[in-house]
This record gives sequence, C-alpha cells and structure tokens, in this order.
Amino acid sequence: AQTVTQSQPEMSVQEAETVTLSCTYDTSESDYYLFWYKQPPSRQMILVIRQEAYKQQNATENRFSVNFQKAAKSFSLKISDSQLGDAAMYFCALRGYGQNFVFGPGTRLSVLP
Amino acid sequence: DAGVIQSPRHEVTEMGQEVTLRCKPISGHNSLFWYRQTMMRGLELLIYFNNNVPIDDSGMPEDRFSAKMPNASFSTLKIQPSEPRDSAVYFCASSPRSGTSDTDTQYFGPGTRLTVL
Repeated sequence: AQTVTQSQPEMSVQEAETVTLSCTYDTSESDYYLFWYKQPPSRQMILVIRQEAYKQQNATENRFSVNFQKAAKSFSLKISDSQLGDAAMYFCALRGYGQNFVFGPGTRLSVLP
Repeated sequence: DAGVIQSPRHEVTEMGQEVTLRCKPISGHNSLFWYRQTMMRGLELLIYFNNNVPIDDSGMPEDRFSAKMPNASFSTLKIQPSEPRDSAVYFCASSPRSGTSDTDTQYFGPGTRLTVL
C-alpha cells in the first residue's frame, strides 16, 4: 500500500521569508511521481510542482522548489520569498503504477504580513 | 483551455433526495477521477475512469453512490438517496492520455460543495 504523511498540520511564515513543508511517503514501487498541490480558500486544487522519481535533479518552479530524497522517501516543498497569496492548504501526493493518487492530510500555511 | 468544469458549484438538498453532480474533463484527457473532501477524512478517491471505462471504484462508499461516463467529455456522480453524512466537497479531475508529457498529472475542477440537510 502507498501512504503519504505530512507531519505539520499548520505552518506560518513571515512575508518574504522562506518556509519548508515536509512530506514523507511509502511505496514499494521504483517508478512513481510526486506532486505538491495548493488549495486556497477558493477550494480550487492547483498543481504547484511535480517530480519524477527517476530524476535525481530536484524540480523547481519559480519560487517553489523541492528537496527529493528518494532513499529517505522524503519530498519537501520550499517556498522562497513567501507572498500573501501563498496562504493555502498544501497537499503532497504520490502516484505509483497506474492512475491512483494518494494524498497526504495537508498542511495549512499562513503567511503573516 | 477551459479546464475541468463541474456543475453545480453548490448544491443544497434534503435527506432522501437524489443528487447528480456533473463533470466535463479537459478536452483530450482520457482519465477522469472523482474525489470527496471532508474535514474528517481529507481527500478520498471515489472512482476513476480510463477511456470512459471504470477502472477502480473501490472508494465508492456504498451502493447509494454511482458514477457514469457515457462519453469522453462527460461524467456524472449520483447519490440516491442522499444522507447528511454525504455533505462534502466533490472534486472531479482529469489526466492527459499516455504519451503526453504530463500524463501523470491530474488537473482538478473547482469542486461542488454539497450540503444534505
């Protein structure tokens, strides 16, 4: 079975500062994909960043980057230069063989002005 | 692209009534997913379709729930009869077909907030 754990139910960061959200997962598969989704108060689920497990290079999307540690099964999200619009629930997700996604419980991020 | 379209955005109904939620996936996508999100249980996959065929419906709570995908551009999730515990936000998501660069990625609709009184 595949599992995704997010151990931080809530986090806060000062505007313009950097914050890291943690995610660990478990899977028996060697090929899989990892994702971070953002859910603002509007409830829309927005893809933030994706990582292919076979790639050693960490994915980066503008102010968002990941620290992918395959051996440790860790996939943290770093948000640099935090903005008020970054405030949202952040979900870590794993997709293994086939189409089934497994989502973590989420981390609520607050950005303080 | 218009993205995944869901309707209605909000639905309030009384216990025992039939509820139908609708989803139009992104054109060209061949996989479609229905999720339910609640505070208690988080985001749960209910069912997913590949090329209009249900592949895994193990997440469907019980026989009161049914989903159909009559063609590549439309899917419904029906609850009959509805109960207060069905109150949740229901999301539809779609993924591109195999061979595209982001075939592994799901794109979500805005969700339908269902309230059963």
